[in-house]
Amino acid sequence: GQNIDQPTEMTATEGAIVQINCTYQTSGFNGLFWYQQHAGEAPTFLSYNVLDGLEEKGRFSSFLSRSKGYSYLLLKELQMKDSASYLCAVRPNTGFQKLVFGTGTRLLVSP
Amino acid sequence: GAVVSQHPSWVICKSGTSVKIECRSLDFQATTMFWYRQFPKQSLMLMATSNEGSKATYEQGVEKDKFLINHASLTLSTLTVTSAHPEDSSFYICSATTSGVSYNEQFFGPGTRLTVL
Repeated sequence: GQNIDQPTEMTATEGAIVQINCTYQTSGFNGLFWYQQHAGEAPTFLSYNVLDGLEEKGRFSSFLSRSKGYSYLLLKELQMKDSASYLCAVRPNTGFQKLVFGTGTRLLVSP
Repeated sequence: GAVVSQHPSWVICKSGTSVKIECRSLDFQATTMFWYRQFPKQSLMLMATSNEGSKATYEQGVEKDKFLINHASLTLSTLTVTSAHPEDSSFYICSATTSGVSYNEQFFGPGTRLTVL
């Protein structure tokens, strides 16, 4: 089966740094994605990791360890608009490119 | 970037009726489209994968006779919820992917909120 776990909720203050963890156990692995989703809207792509290590993209960074089945999304210099749900998704195989989504983490950024 | 649209953005229907939701890739040809369902405060659950010109592949537990998917062209896929019931009320999101993108990332539509009375 496929199992992807994330914390349900996190809170942080504006300007701070927050790390959202994701652990996965899937039938295969061909990449891990992070998406941001504001309430009632579609997810938007944030990052992609397929090899171990850190990928940095402005205020957002994502890390992957395939041997540990672990990833995290790091958000720096938090802004109020970063309040959203963050979804970790794994692509288990090279077939139809389908994604298996984690439970999602709701992040609330306060002033 | 690649844009995916959905229509309608919201729909309210009576129990027992059928509802069709359209998903279009506006500026690229989508080799594969996906349909997800999302209940409040939950994550996205994949319902089915469809490739243009072939039958959709449904995830375990999803009734293919209830959720009809048609992927007639490289820019359009439709999901028809047949004989809808209140428990089908949900946020339905489609996504599309194309072989031309390096990550083969999925581009998501804005979603359709279905309420069945």
